[in-house]
Amino acid sequence: NAGVMQNPRHLVRRRGQEARLRCSPMKGHSHVYWYRQLPEEGLKFMVYLQKENIIDESGMPKERFSAEFPKEGPSILRIQQVVRGDSAAYFCASSPLEGLLNTEAFFGQGTRLTVV
Amino acid sequence: SQQGEEDPQALSIQEGENATMNCSYKTSINNLQWYRQNSGRGLVHLILIRSNEREKHSGRLRVTLDTSKKSSSLLITASRAADTASYFCAASQKTSYDKVIFGPGTSLSVIP
Repeated sequence: NAGVMQNPRHLVRRRGQEARLRCSPMKGHSHVYWYRQLPEEGLKFMVYLQKENIIDESGMPKERFSAEFPKEGPSILRIQQVVRGDSAAYFCASSPLEGLLNTEAFFGQGTRLTVV
Repeated sequence: SQQGEEDPQALSIQEGENATMNCSYKTSINNLQWYRQNSGRGLVHLILIRSNEREKHSGRLRVTLDTSKKSSSLLITASRAADTASYFCAASQKTSYDKVIFGPGTSLSVIP
């Protein structure tokens, strides 16, 4: 049973380009969370999605950032027109349908985005 | 708003000593989790403690939870150099769904 898979592991983009980060949740998990970790800081909640629905995007910047979790395929975090300040590690976590009462959120290894 | 707040921000100890990290949170929770992160790496889940539990052990780890004070502590006994990492608490909020909010972390250095 593969864990949460994120790709790419490392991504370099020039300012103004688009970054697409992918997250495949664990098998049987239908909830996905995205977090951003700036250097030397903790993980900041960005968005929570279920299949085809955004449940909570209160942590997502209003502009340039979007997320989706289609019926088929991985969840995508998309950053348009990247700026240097977007350089960070982006982590995805998944949880089962019954939630996190008795289990932890399972995290991927993260995508490290560097904007040059 | 940030849910978990770790204390101290940084901790440096000698190998063999115990390390204690504290975490406070603001709202009611379903459970609280502790994670470890080695520099530049992913998160490793250490232990989960439910809101109706007061103490939990796993190997050299001991976690306590005081829901009246909205706080938790992580104790690592007989520390090793390999324990050097950042440690995060993550609280699963009681909302309409399980929202997991992380604290800023404690950076632990264990000196051989």
